[in-house]
Amino acid sequence: DQQVKQNSPSLSVQEGRISILNCDYTNSMFDYFLWYKKYPAEGPTFLISISSIKDKNEDGRFTVFLNKSAKHLSLHIVPSQPGDSAVYFCAAPVTSGGYQKVTFGTGTKLQVIP
Amino acid sequence: DAMVIQNPRYQVTQFGKPVTLSCSQTLNHNVMYWYQQKSSQAPKLLFHYYDKDFNNEADTPDNFQSRRPNTSFCFLDIRSPGLGDAAMYLCATSRGGSTNEKLFFGSGTQLSVL
Repeated sequence: DQQVKQNSPSLSVQEGRISILNCDYTNSMFDYFLWYKKYPAEGPTFLISISSIKDKNEDGRFTVFLNKSAKHLSLHIVPSQPGDSAVYFCAAPVTSGGYQKVTFGTGTKLQVIP
Repeated sequence: DAMVIQNPRYQVTQFGKPVTLSCSQTLNHNVMYWYQQKSSQAPKLLFHYYDKDFNNEADTPDNFQSRRPNTSFCFLDIRSPGLGDAAMYLCATSRGGSTNEKLFFGSGTQLSVL
């Protein structure tokens, strides 16, 4: 049962344009979401997060939007740069028994073409 | 820099031959996690330690064991690797004690089973 879904396995965008990566979730208990970025041969690194009390969070070129009614969030990268080429994971933690269990999506591989 | 270090980066083992993967951290985090990631799939939590308390996911095979001899180190033991255990194994840490924390990942160990 995949509670966090990233239905686009890959995305190609021209440098300077906007990249939009999408994520859907099914568990209404999720109230916090994170995006991680992963380069080849490296572990994922935290990129940006959003709490369910907000519908938008911005950090430089990265903005995450949350639509709770649709159980959908998206990561916007503007402008896209070749260094943004990586796999992006959407993730949602649930706290249970004093610890966090983080559910990840399958990832979207972004290629930014110079 | 404080970090999470996994050794080795690549591990080749034979079918049925026990193998141990290691993870160390200089972040002094309370929680250490082991994730398994197969190609094009979401990272899957195997188990985690909160300090010395071990928490196994219900669907983690008995073939997988873990040890945390001290705060800094955590090991993943695969007692009898099968071909289906070939994957990237990711170690992650978090401070613990609060909700909605980001995870800090190592670079992973790519395990091949021949």
